[in-house]
Amino acid sequence: ETGVTQSPTHLIKTRGQQVTLRCSSQSGHNTVSWYQQALGQGPQFIFQYYREEENGRGNFPPRFSGLQFPNYSSELNVNALELDDSALYLCASSSGQGLNQPQHFGDGTRLSIL
Amino acid sequence: AQSVTQPDIHITVSEGASLELRCNYSYGATPYLFWYVQSPGQGLQLLLKYFSGDTLVQGIKGFEAEFKRSQSSFNLRKPSVHWSDAAEYFCAVGGLNQGGKLIFGQGTELSVKP
Repeated sequence: ETGVTQSPTHLIKTRGQQVTLRCSSQSGHNTVSWYQQALGQGPQFIFQYYREEENGRGNFPPRFSGLQFPNYSSELNVNALELDDSALYLCASSSGQGLNQPQHFGDGTRLSIL
Repeated sequence: AQSVTQPDIHITVSEGASLELRCNYSYGATPYLFWYVQSPGQGLQLLLKYFSGDTLVQGIKGFEAEFKRSQSSFNLRKPSVHWSDAAEYFCAVGGLNQGGKLIFGQGTELSVKP
């Protein structure tokens, strides 16, 4: 069983640029959630996609957007990057939209903004 | 407001000693409660979860947690700590119909002395 994979592992960008992060969900999972984890903090929920539709959103501005594809993989896009966007971005997949379905996390993408 | 508080930022215990990590939550509805562990450079691994029923839940790696509604707490315990347990531990809360949104605490870093 293939787990959740994220790419790239590390990324360096400058302020104002745009970035796309990718996530392949675990086999059999149709739901993907994205989290931002700043250094020394717990993860913060960005949004969730269920069967290609956004299913819930945290307190993040519209420049954070996402997609889910028919194979249930997902992308997180961030426009107009700011220094505070430097963080570990975690993707989690599950077999349903509710929390009764455990979320399985990838190892994350470390994004650094210069 | 919905929140999770982990009062201890860093805990050090001796190998073989018992462990208790504290977690307090504030949540308006019936909470779903989780403990995750994160090793350096890796994603989150689910240790255990509580949805309903028996308030003492067993998890992987010998961990257990007890839900106390009157105290709004969900403390994690292990009777005998191993050096490999050194990691960051996160408590999280969510609810039904919340779109998979998990609210995480700030985390507790566990160090294990030989």
